[in-house]
Amino acid sequence: GQNIDQPTEMTATEGAIVQINCTYQTSGFNGLFWYQQHAGEAPTFLSYNVLDGLEEKGRFSSFLSRSKGYSYLLLKELQMKDSASYLCVALDSNYQLIWGAGTKLIIKP
Amino acid sequence: IAGITQAPTSQILAAGRRMTLRCTQDMRHNAMYWYRQDLGLGLRLIHYSNTAGTTGKGEVPDGYSVSRANTDDFPLTLASAVPSQTSVYFCASSLAGGVNHEQFFGPGTRLTVL
Repeated sequence: GQNIDQPTEMTATEGAIVQINCTYQTSGFNGLFWYQQHAGEAPTFLSYNVLDGLEEKGRFSSFLSRSKGYSYLLLKELQMKDSASYLCVALDSNYQLIWGAGTKLIIKP
Repeated sequence: IAGITQAPTSQILAAGRRMTLRCTQDMRHNAMYWYRQDLGLGLRLIHYSNTAGTTGKGEVPDGYSVSRANTDDFPLTLASAVPSQTSVYFCASSLAGGVNHEQFFGPGTRLTVL
C-alpha cells in the first residue's frame, strides 16, 4: 500500500534549526510536497521536489532522495510563528496525492 | 473575493439531515477537490473535479456527492448525515488536475453531526 511516515510531534527552541523527516512508499513517484498548517487554519504550500537534492527557499529548505524514499524539511532561525503542523505529501504515478498525518512543531522561547 | 471561500464556517447538524457545503474560487482554476481532515490522519480526498462538468471519486466518497456546473463552484452534499461524518472539510483548487500543481485551500468548514 501507499504510505507516508513522519514524526507526530517535535519540539525546538526559538532561533535554532530543526529537521522534519518524512519517508514515503508510493506506487510510482511524481514528486513530493511540503505544506504548512497552523492550528485551525488551512494548509499552505511550502515546497515541491521532484529531483534529488536540496532546494532552499529563505529560512526553509527541502531535501529529496528518490532512491531512499526520503525527504526532509529544514527550518532555520526558528521563529514562534513557525509553530504549526508540517504535512509531507507524495504524488504517485497517477498524480494522486498521498498525505501524511503531519508533524506538529512546537517552538519554545 | 480573492482565492477560495467556503461556507458555512461551522455547523452542527442532526443525524439524518441533508447538508450542502459550499465552495467558490475566483482563480479560474480548472481542478477542485474536497478533503476531510480528522485528528491523527492525513487529509483524505472525498471527491474531485478536473474540469467543469466532470467529477471523480476520491479515497472516501461514500455518503457524499458533488457537482461542478461551472468553473467557480464545487458544492459538497451530505444526503443523510451520520456522526462519522463529523470532521473538518477543506475545499481546494489547482490550476490543473493530474499534474504536479500546488493546491490552494479554503479556510475549512467544521461540521459536527449529532
